[in-house]
Amino acid sequence: EEQLVQSGAEVKKPGESLKISCKTSGYSFTSYYIGWVRQMPGKGLEWMGAILPDDSETRYSPSLQGQVTISVDKFINIAYLQWSSLKPSDTAIYYCARHSGRLGAPDYWGQGTLVTVSS
Amino acid sequence: QSALTQPASVSGSPGQSITISCTGTSSDVGNYNYVAWYQQPPGKAPKFLIYEVSSRPSGVSNRFSGSKSGNTASLTISGLQTEDEADYYCSSYTSRGTWVFGGGTKLTVL
Repeated sequence: EEQLVQSGAEVKKPGESLKISCKTSGYSFTSYYIGWVRQMPGKGLEWMGAILPDDSETRYSPSLQGQVTISVDKFINIAYLQWSSLKPSDTAIYYCARHSGRLGAPDYWGQGTLVTVSS
Repeated sequence: QSALTQPASVSGSPGQSITISCTGTSSDVGNYNYVAWYQQPPGKAPKFLIYEVSSRPSGVSNRFSGSKSGNTASLTISGLQTEDEADYYCSSYTSRGTWVFGGGTKLTVL
């Protein structure tokens, strides 16, 4: 059974760095893109980017390129989303999700990680 | 890339059918049959409802169906039930090799 389990909620100050994780199991980790989706408070879903663990090919949403870094450790089947300098506008729930194929939509989702950035 | 356009809200009575539209461009919905739909109950993660325009993953009720015409995709829910009350999102693959979601539609079952 495919499972994605995300790290716990975080409270950070503006300017701090952060790396959240998504541990996967139940499928071949290197064979599927794994992506991140943002949901700001009271707002809709926003696709941030995705990475293919096999070769680390990464695609980012044009609006978020340079704001975050997506990476993986393919030896322990974990994907990461990282910020070098958080802003209050980064406050959101972040979901990791496996893509169902090279062009496929996100199918299996993590439970979400709430990130709160406040001074 | 701009979000796909969905109505902010739709409503229906139990037993009725409703349709949610999702309008994109020739760079996404209109050019690819990689449109998906999701159901998100309040406070929960999205659930995968429809993929490749009209296919249902295993376990999804056949009350949910999808279609596409030109740059607009649609999700139809037949035999509305109170538990269908949720937010619904469409998504599409794009010519940039990325994905884009719609703004979301709140379904109220009266």
